[in-house]
Amino acid sequence: NAGVTQTPKFQVLKTGQSMTLQCAQDMNHNSMYWYRQDPGMGLRLIYYSASEGTTDKGEVPNGYNVSRLNKREFSLRLESAAPSQTSVYFCASTQRGLGETQYFGPGTRLLVL
Amino acid sequence: SQKIEQNSEALNIQEGKTATLTCNYTNYSPAYLQWYRQDPGRGPVFLLLIRENEKEKRKERLKVTFDTTLKQSLFHITASQPADSATYLCALMNSGYSTLTFGKGTMLLVSP
Repeated sequence: NAGVTQTPKFQVLKTGQSMTLQCAQDMNHNSMYWYRQDPGMGLRLIYYSASEGTTDKGEVPNGYNVSRLNKREFSLRLESAAPSQTSVYFCASTQRGLGETQYFGPGTRLLVL
Repeated sequence: SQKIEQNSEALNIQEGKTATLTCNYTNYSPAYLQWYRQDPGRGPVFLLLIRENEKEKRKERLKVTFDTTLKQSLFHITASQPADSATYLCALMNSGYSTLTFGKGTMLLVSP
């Protein structure tokens, strides 16, 4: 099992460009999450999907959109990137229910110039 | 306001000693609390979960305590090794909510 995979690993964008971060899990988990991690700020929840077909905002959703494509895949889209979105983005998934043990991907490092 | 506080300064200890990391919270009523390990350039990895009605949990060299009166969890690594050097994150789920909130983490450095 690959666990949680994320693509790309690194990305550089110019302000105003758009991009989609991809996340997939092969553990048959119901819930999936997107976090961003910034120095001194810790992990902050952007959006989550409790189950296929549902998505909800987290602590810092502004500037992002998500799509739960199927049970395996949960993508994060930046429609018009801003320098404030420079961060490391982590996707995570949970087996049983919301808030249980989370399995994280390796992260995507995004730089917005 | 709600806060989860972990020591922002790195904890430096010698190999073989017990490392103790602290997680304090305010204005939460956690259903449970979790501890994760994060190595540089990698995603967090789950270590232990302790529920509100549990006082202590152990797993090999790891021990977690949870005091809901003091609003504090302590994370212990006994017989620490240089390979234990990492950042350790606490995370809690507030009762009635459905997502985890993470602390900022404490870096542990174990020297030989």
